[in-house]
Amino acid sequence: GEDVEQSLFLSVREGDSSVINCTYTDSSSTYLYWYKQEPGAGLQLLTYIFSNMDMKQDQRLTVLLNKKDKHLSLRIADTQTGDSAIYFCAEAPMDTGRRALTFGSGTRLQVQP
Amino acid sequence: GAGVSQSPSNKVTEKGKDVELRCDPISGHTALYWYRQSLGQGLEFLIYFQGNSAPDKSGLPSDRFSAERTGGSVSTLTIQRTQQEDSAVYLCASSHRVNTDTQYFGPGTRLTVL
Repeated sequence: GEDVEQSLFLSVREGDSSVINCTYTDSSSTYLYWYKQEPGAGLQLLTYIFSNMDMKQDQRLTVLLNKKDKHLSLRIADTQTGDSAIYFCAEAPMDTGRRALTFGSGTRLQVQP
Repeated sequence: GAGVSQSPSNKVTEKGKDVELRCDPISGHTALYWYRQSLGQGLEFLIYFQGNSAPDKSGLPSDRFSAERTGGSVSTLTIQRTQQEDSAVYLCASSHRVNTDTQYFGPGTRLTVL
């Protein structure tokens, strides 16, 4: 079955870059997602990448994918205090009709002013 | 446009009672998902509806859990004879099913079983 792993905690200073890492195990083609969850709120989709891509950039967000190592990262440039939240990596295998997401445990990002 | 909505936002119930949680997906989205977020288990898939197909119930943790989706839109998740371990945030998501299948989440219902 699928498994997604993330580190639990990251602390950065305001203005620095943040890099949140994720590893996954599913070998079939898949979409990979990053979601953000603020306290008491649902999941907000940040960005996604298909597994035949190496990189995707969207404003302050850069997603890098290493298919060989099944390693995904999310880089947030110029991190702000409003970026403090839990970030979830998730995958959705294409070879299943279900498309249900398998989530990592989430990385809590703390931004120090 | 309106996103996914869920009600109630919070629900406190006594052990043994039944509860119903509601989800209104984004208009036009044919796929609807229920997930559960709890401290011990993280985010877990529960059930998936796609159009008129039979739902995928493979994630439901016990037969006390059931869900239906009427008219291909609104969905209700029912938990019978609630137990304390059912306490969690129940999240609903919907997707268009045609393009990227990106799932958009509602704000969740926080269920507390006393």
